[in-house]
Amino acid sequence: EAGVVQSPRYKIIEKKQPVAFWCNPISGHNTLYWYLQNLGQGPELLIRYENEEAVDDSQLPKDRFSAERLKGVDSTLKIQPAELGDSAVYLCASSLGFGTRVDEQFFGPGTRLTVL
Amino acid sequence: GQQLNQSPQSMFIQEGEDVSMNCTSSSIFNTWLWYKQDPGEGPVLLIALYKAGELTSNGRLTAQFGITRKDSFLNISASIPSDVGIYFCAGQGRTYKYIFGTGTRLKVLA
Repeated sequence: EAGVVQSPRYKIIEKKQPVAFWCNPISGHNTLYWYLQNLGQGPELLIRYENEEAVDDSQLPKDRFSAERLKGVDSTLKIQPAELGDSAVYLCASSLGFGTRVDEQFFGPGTRLTVL
Repeated sequence: GQQLNQSPQSMFIQEGEDVSMNCTSSSIFNTWLWYKQDPGEGPVLLIALYKAGELTSNGRLTAQFGITRKDSFLNISASIPSDVGIYFCAGQGRTYKYIFGTGTRLKVLA
C-alpha cells in the first residue's frame, strides 16, 4: 500500500514569491494534517481536515497561508507571499480519524522549503 | 507551540549497547506514538501505545505507556549503526491533537 505522497520534495524561492505544496494521503484515510517542522524541533500542527472540511486551522497564519482539500482526498498548502521565516519542512500526515480505535498518523517525506 | 519534553536531548552510544529515552508531559494522554526520523525524511511510526502500563515491542524496540499516563519510554536493545536518527514521541489526549516531543538525537559509534 502506498504511503503519504508529497511533492515537491524541495523548493527554493525568493521572498515575496508564492509557493504551493501538494499531498496525497493514504487511501481510505479521512483525516489529513499539515505540519510545520523547524530545524531541530518536532512537528507542529498547522491545519487538520476531516474529509474536505478544515476542522482546525487555528494554528494556520491566515494572512499568508491557505489550504484546501477538494473532494476530501488530495490537499494543497499555499504560502503567498513567502517570508524568510517560512523556511522549514512542511509535512503532510494522514490517519483513519480521531475516535477510531487506531488513530495513528502516518507522515509523508515532507517538502523542504528554503526562502532566500 | 507546545512540545513535550524528551530526555536525553542527544546521546552517543557504542554499537551493541542498549538505549533508553523518555518523554514527559504535564497532561494526561490516552495514546502515545513513537517515531524515528532520518535526515531529509518524514517521521516513521515505530510503536503505538493505547493503555496505561502497556508494554509493546517491535523487533529490538520496546516502548511503555507510563502508569501515570503522563510519560512514555522507548528502549532500543543492541543498537546498530542504522538506529541513528531523531526519535520523537507524540501524545494524544481527549482531543484529536497529537503533541510532539522535542526529539532525542541518537548517534551510534561503530
